Amino acid sequence: AQSVSQHNHHVILSEAASLELGCNYSYGGTVNLFWYVQYPGQHLQLLLKYFSGDPLVKGIKGFEAEFIKSKFSFNLRKPSVQWSDTAEYFCAVNALNTGNQFYFGTGTSLTVIP
Amino acid sequence: DTAVSQTPKYLVTQMGNDKSIKCEQNLGHDTMYWYKQDSKKFLKIMFSYNNKELIINETVPNRFSPKSPDKAHLNLHINSLELGDSAVYFCASRQDRGTSDTEAFFGQGTRLTVV
Repeated sequence: AQSVSQHNHHVILSEAASLELGCNYSYGGTVNLFWYVQYPGQHLQLLLKYFSGDPLVKGIKGFEAEFIKSKFSFNLRKPSVQWSDTAEYFCAVNALNTGNQFYFGTGTSLTVIP
Repeated sequence: DTAVSQTPKYLVTQMGNDKSIKCEQNLGHDTMYWYKQDSKKFLKIMFSYNNKELIINETVPNRFSPKSPDKAHLNLHINSLELGDSAVYFCASRQDRGTSDTEAFFGQGTRLTVV
């Protein structure tokens, strides 16, 4: 079955630690990949997206993600997290063969300790 | 101006009632969605709709129905509310260019509590 998997459900880090959140998908064909962030009590906001070209994409607030087609992965990274990065992070896929469907992973809850 | 707006932001209602949540987008997008986010933060797509087709997630009970009076609006009607319907409901929109390379924009969410 087609799916988006985020293996880290809860991550707790100290400020200045490095972050990597995993995302794997199982859709075939052309895919476009996204990371969204949801700060406490707020709506989802786009962090970054991959459509084509350079597989290493940079987003807002120092986040980046790397698309590795052979591994069906799109992991999110940040070299040094801040307390304000505490939030839920969602990986999402929009694939041509799913029509207009926009599928999300189960999310990763990140807590950054000052 | 808010790109995707939902009303109400909070909704508390009794079991068995019928309620609606409104969604409007001013981005000129032609595709809109409804998502349900449960207490574990899992985002489940309920519907996607554009002027061509309505795609319904088959796991969504038929008590839920989307209504689109025009391209800028996709309202969610829920009949005979149940306790398990308590969740945060997000509306979203995106531009469908026949490809998949556009992101979705989300509303602020509606927190529905059924008592």
